[in-house]
Amino acid sequence: DAKTTQPPSMDCAEGRAANLPCNHSTISGNEYVYWYRQIHSQGPQYIIHGLKNNETNEMASLIITEDRKSSTLILPHATLRDTAVYYCIVRVANDYKLSFGAGTTVTVRA
Amino acid sequence: NAGVTQTPKFQVLKTGQSMTLQCAQDMNHEYMSWYRQDPGMGLRLIHYSVGAGITDQGEVPNGYNVSRSTTEDFPLRLLSAAPSQTSVYFCASSYELGQTNTGELFFGEGSRLTVL
Repeated sequence: DAKTTQPPSMDCAEGRAANLPCNHSTISGNEYVYWYRQIHSQGPQYIIHGLKNNETNEMASLIITEDRKSSTLILPHATLRDTAVYYCIVRVANDYKLSFGAGTTVTVRA
Repeated sequence: NAGVTQTPKFQVLKTGQSMTLQCAQDMNHEYMSWYRQDPGMGLRLIHYSVGAGITDQGEVPNGYNVSRSTTEDFPLRLLSAAPSQTSVYFCASSYELGQTNTGELFFGEGSRLTVL
């Protein structure tokens, strides 16, 4: 399985964009990049996923580099409720299982 | 919209006791799984099931049993509780993988277990 590397923590100002980096240098061609977040020890929540194209939904945008070795999750206008642990996960296309690392603790400050 | 329901939310056990954590989903999901999360760490997969009658081991299966007699339910059994099993347990489910769904895992709210 390809593994991911994320910074352990980062701060962001409320109302500003939060850019969360993730390295996955050993990713294979059939592996997707998934992002989840976990607020206050609740169950993790799906945010977005992608294979090689950039993706956007109502929560965030996902930018994947052309070589697919890294990606960035963008929260366009961070709010205090976005304070959470964010997990970047690489997942094989036909495999249900997700492997969670330590993630990035994002603190949004007023 | 119940989603994934876990019971109990909190439980205290003594070493050696047994118990079952319940997980039920009402979304007709084929895939169900159990994770544990220790303080300051990510989630680790205990057991999973890709359909009724089918179960398999995850990363940390020792000390736990599961069964999947129906699509809706996936109970996790602790046979003889140990202090090392003190953790928060999450159940998660997903639609059958395919090109028309995101593969999103839906998580329950967690069950907090303390073993004394």
